[in-house]
Amino acid sequence: ETGVTQSPTHLIKTRGQQVTLRCSSQSGHNTVSWYQQALGQGPQFIFQYYREEENGRGNFPPRFSGLQFPNYSSELNVNALELDDSALYLCASSLAPTGGRSGNTIYFGEGSWLTVV
Amino acid sequence: GESVGLHLPTLSVQEGDNSIINCAYSNSASDYFIWYKQESGKGPQFIIDIRSNMDKRQGQRVTVLLNKTVKHLSLQIAATQPGDSAVYFCAERDNNDMRFGAGTRLTVKP
Repeated sequence: ETGVTQSPTHLIKTRGQQVTLRCSSQSGHNTVSWYQQALGQGPQFIFQYYREEENGRGNFPPRFSGLQFPNYSSELNVNALELDDSALYLCASSLAPTGGRSGNTIYFGEGSWLTVV
Repeated sequence: GESVGLHLPTLSVQEGDNSIINCAYSNSASDYFIWYKQESGKGPQFIIDIRSNMDKRQGQRVTVLLNKTVKHLSLQIAATQPGDSAVYFCAERDNNDMRFGAGTRLTVKP
């Protein structure tokens, strides 16, 4: 158990719809990162939030957006869903931003499985 | 090595043998690396990490070796057990994110 919790665990959406995924970080962790993991591939970085602001973004379009709240929990929002958005969405938390000197380890939740039909 | 797509590199070992999983990373400036284990239907689980100022680090039954000259990372698992069966990912720090390889599937035969 990493202390990172995600909801929902599974959901099915229709192409064109919008989805919100939620994440509670490990106690004491102020940084949350989101990753997309397609079947048979490694996780791909979407973005990172630190102290309620975006602190780095991967190669994902603007319809992928996020929020971080004062308690460090976070949301991932995806608009205009496409079939290729079907994947496992992973949230990870760390004590400080990944890019910091200390190389903070990121701990993952169990993920939210999104299927777009 | 790593590959992209559904055909993960695979490693099959006998229970009790040692396993070595290899990874080639891309950025010679990367200064921090992590190995993760991912079981079916679960999120990646931290195994061990290493900074670039080290070439070896040991944990419980696991050892990570880093060769910066050839940008190569390996994970050694001693006395492999059935519970070690999973997909193993190496990850390198890349600015504010961790960049993951496609993973290697380890299967332990009883």
